[in-house]
Amino acid sequence: QVQVVESGGGVVQPGRSLRLSCVASGFIFSSYGMHWVRQAPGKGLEWVAVIWYDGSNKHYADSVKGRFTISRDNSKNTLYLQMNSLRAEDTAVYYCARTGFAELGWFDPWGQGTLVTVSS
Amino acid sequence: EVVMTQSPATLSVSPGERATLSCRASQSVSTNLAWYQQKPGQAPRLLFYGASTRATGIPARFSGSGSGTEFTLTISSLQSEDFAIYYCQHYYNWPPLFGQGTKVEIK
Repeated sequence: QVQVVESGGGVVQPGRSLRLSCVASGFIFSSYGMHWVRQAPGKGLEWVAVIWYDGSNKHYADSVKGRFTISRDNSKNTLYLQMNSLRAEDTAVYYCARTGFAELGWFDPWGQGTLVTVSS
Repeated sequence: EVVMTQSPATLSVSPGERATLSCRASQSVSTNLAWYQQKPGQAPRLLFYGASTRATGIPARFSGSGSGTEFTLTISSLQSEDFAIYYCQHYYNWPPLFGQGTKVEIK
C-alpha cells in the first residue's frame, strides 16, 4: 500500500543539527512532490517545506528558511530534511507527506511522524 | 499569505447528532481546500480535497462544501470514532497554511 515512514528524530541541543529521513513505498516516488509538516506538542499543524518531484524546486516556511534544507534521492525512494541551527521552538513531531496532485496541493498519505526535541 | 480561521475551537456534540465545522480564508482560495482528521497520537488523515471531493475510504456521513472564503465540514450523525480534531488547509498559493483546528468532543 501507499505509505511513507519517517525516522531520525531525537533529542538535540540548541544550535546543533539533525537529519530526518522518510522512506516511501507503494507508489512511484519520483513522480510526486513531497512535503514536511510539523506539529509542536499540543499545537496545530505547520507546513515546513516542499520539494518538486525531480528536486528542481523547493519552498520553505519563513520560520525555517536558511536553516533547514529539503532534499530527495529518487534512486532510494527517500526524502530528507537537514535541520541546522536548531532552536527550542523547532521541537515538534515532523511528518512527511506526499502531495496529492501538483506540488501545491493536499497531503496524502502522511507518515506516523518522528519527534524532534531541542533541549539543553 | 492566506490565513485560515476555523470555528468553533471546540464543538461538544452527542453521538448521533450532526456536527457543522467552519473554515474561513482571509482571501478567496477558490475550491483549493482540504480537510483532515487527527486523532490523539496519530497522523492526520485526509478527508476532502477540492473542498468537496471525499478521499478514498471516507464514510458518506462526512461532507464538505464551500468555495471562495467560506467552507463547511459536516458530519451528519456522529459516531464514536469521529471524535477528533479537524483541520482545514488551503493550497491556493505558497505557503499552504492550516487552520488552527476544531476539536469535536463528546457532549
